[in-house]
Amino acid sequence: KQEVTQIPAALSVPEGENLVLNCSFTDSAIYNLQWFRQDPGKGLTSLLLIQSSQREQTSGRLNASLDKSSGRSTLYIAASQPGDSATYLCAVRVSGYALNFGKGTSLLVTP
Amino acid sequence: DADVTQTPRNRITKTGKRIMLECSQTKGHDRMYWYRQDPGLGLRLIYYSFDVKDINKGEISDGYSVSRQAQAKFSLSLESAIPNQTALYFCATSDLQGSTDTQYFGPGTRLTVL
Repeated sequence: KQEVTQIPAALSVPEGENLVLNCSFTDSAIYNLQWFRQDPGKGLTSLLLIQSSQREQTSGRLNASLDKSSGRSTLYIAASQPGDSATYLCAVRVSGYALNFGKGTSLLVTP
Repeated sequence: DADVTQTPRNRITKTGKRIMLECSQTKGHDRMYWYRQDPGLGLRLIYYSFDVKDINKGEISDGYSVSRQAQAKFSLSLESAIPNQTALYFCATSDLQGSTDTQYFGPGTRLTVL
């Protein structure tokens, strides 16, 4: 069974810092990997999706990388802002239907 | 308007009651999913559907049933609710025809079973 682990579980940084969230998975035979953001009381918002053949994806201040052979992905957030405070979830798609989620990293960006 | 909607948003019920959670989408997607989220356990898949005639069990389907009434509607039922079904429930959709298969989530239903 695919296991997805996210480290750290919680992170607090001052505004303006660059930061990295980590995701690891046990089975490298993935279709894609997706990073989500979850705000309290709201659903999940897809941030970036990396296909298994890709190495990275970028959207604004966010950059996600994928190293399938080592079972690792990172989400890089540049120049963090208080509005970035949320829980960030990593999920991998192993087969044709479902996502396997990590437990998330809770991020707090302080002014 | 939101692309994926869930009703109700919050529900408190008692053990043994039958509960239905509803999901509607305007994205025109073929695939729909039901997940539950528990503190410390992450999201887990309950059921998924590729189209109206194709429904499949996920990782934790025991105690749940689903109905795909139309392409846009996917309902989750708890026939006899029990306290350990207290959780946050999410519906999601994705596009079978799309190349990226990004999943889009509804806002969630917080269910409490007393």
